[in-house]
Amino acid sequence: TQLLEQSPQFLSIQEGENLTVYCNSSSVFSSLQWYRQEPGEGPVLLVTVVTGGEVKKLKRLTFQFGDARKDSSLHITAAQPGDTGLYLCAGLITSNTGNQFYFGTGTSLTVIP
Amino acid sequence: KAGVTQTPRYLIKTRGQQVTLSCSPISGHRSVSWYQQTPGQGLQFLFEYFSETQRNKGNFPGRFSGRQFSNSRSEMNVSTLELGDSALYLCASSLAPSSYEQYFGPGTRLTVT
Repeated sequence: TQLLEQSPQFLSIQEGENLTVYCNSSSVFSSLQWYRQEPGEGPVLLVTVVTGGEVKKLKRLTFQFGDARKDSSLHITAAQPGDTGLYLCAGLITSNTGNQFYFGTGTSLTVIP
Repeated sequence: KAGVTQTPRYLIKTRGQQVTLSCSPISGHRSVSWYQQTPGQGLQFLFEYFSETQRNKGNFPGRFSGRQFSNSRSEMNVSTLELGDSALYLCASSLAPSSYEQYFGPGTRLTVT
């Protein structure tokens, strides 16, 4: 089982629509990141949220970190074809044995022109 | 500033063989992490190196190993390849271990036949 579950797994929408992707866990994270990955490329970091309840906006993208630092959401307003890609959340867990990023299961987004 | 480079980009091997993958981090970055990405398991952490020392290791068998050189370049090795090792292997570099910002390379696509 994955530490971080994302939903939905697949999403196909028309250009101009809004969407929300969820990232949930029963574990507490020191920080949480969102990445977008395009075919044949590595993930590209979009945002890092650190504080519980934190909300960050990047143009049409809004990221929220849950109050308990166990979950996060990504909301895209007026989606464009350029938003197409695999969206990944990643949570950082710090421990005595070392810090480690755990990645979510991913959400594949297709925006149809 | 040049990004993370990984070589080779594509590789085909047969079961039982071994393989070595290379990663050159962004100039000035001293921490390198390796991940395995498969459709079924998603992105999973392999190990992290900083200053030529392995700082953390994921839950992978001993067939997977790595090292880091004094110039921060890193290699990972997989011995006695199995069909299930077919995956995209991603390298990420950061300034410091478990830094909030890690930058991924394009990955090496390994196919085991």
